Amino acid sequence: GQSLEQPSEVTAVEGAIVQINCTYQTSGFYGLSWYQQHDGGAPTFLSYNALDGLEETGRFSSFLSRSDSYGYLLLQELQMKDSASYFCAVGGNQGGKLIFGQGTELSVKP
Amino acid sequence: NAGVMQNPRHLVRRRGQEARLRCSPMKGHSHVYWYRQLPEEGLKFMVYLQKENIIDESGMPKERFSAEFPKEGPSILRIQQVVRGDSAAYFCASSPGEPRAGSYEQYFGPGTRLTVT
Repeated sequence: GQSLEQPSEVTAVEGAIVQINCTYQTSGFYGLSWYQQHDGGAPTFLSYNALDGLEETGRFSSFLSRSDSYGYLLLQELQMKDSASYFCAVGGNQGGKLIFGQGTELSVKP
Repeated sequence: NAGVMQNPRHLVRRRGQEARLRCSPMKGHSHVYWYRQLPEEGLKFMVYLQKENIIDESGMPKERFSAEFPKEGPSILRIQQVVRGDSAAYFCASSPGEPRAGSYEQYFGPGTRLTVT
């Protein structure tokens, strides 16, 4: 089977740095993606890691270690608008299907 | 360039009725995916379609659910004889073509909230 684990909620203050971890168990692995969802709206793509290492996109960075089946999303200089749910997702060996984690609800406090 | 469009945004059905959810992918995208999301949960894959073909329906319940993506027109997810447990948000996503090793980015629509009374 395939499963992903991430913390259910994280709280941080404006301007801080927060890391959201994700561990996965999959049969076949094609990369780890991160999506953001505000208030049950359309999930939006944040980042993708196919290879080990760190990918940086502005204030957001994502890391992958395939040997540890582990990745994380790093959000820097937190802003109130970053309050949202963040999902990690893996693409398996069966085409474009994405398997999502349960999501981490991030609350940014002033 | 319009994004992924879904309609209706909200749908109320009584138990036993049929629900039809429509999805128009982004312009130029030929791959469509349907996901279901229950409150406070992640998105669960249901089905992956290309024009006139079902590629992967491993997440679809065996009964009452069907999906299509005709040559012309939107993709449709149909739920027959709805039950209360079908109440959820149904999201459609699209991508431009074959998933490449470099990216699995999918573009999501705003979702259809189905409520079964």
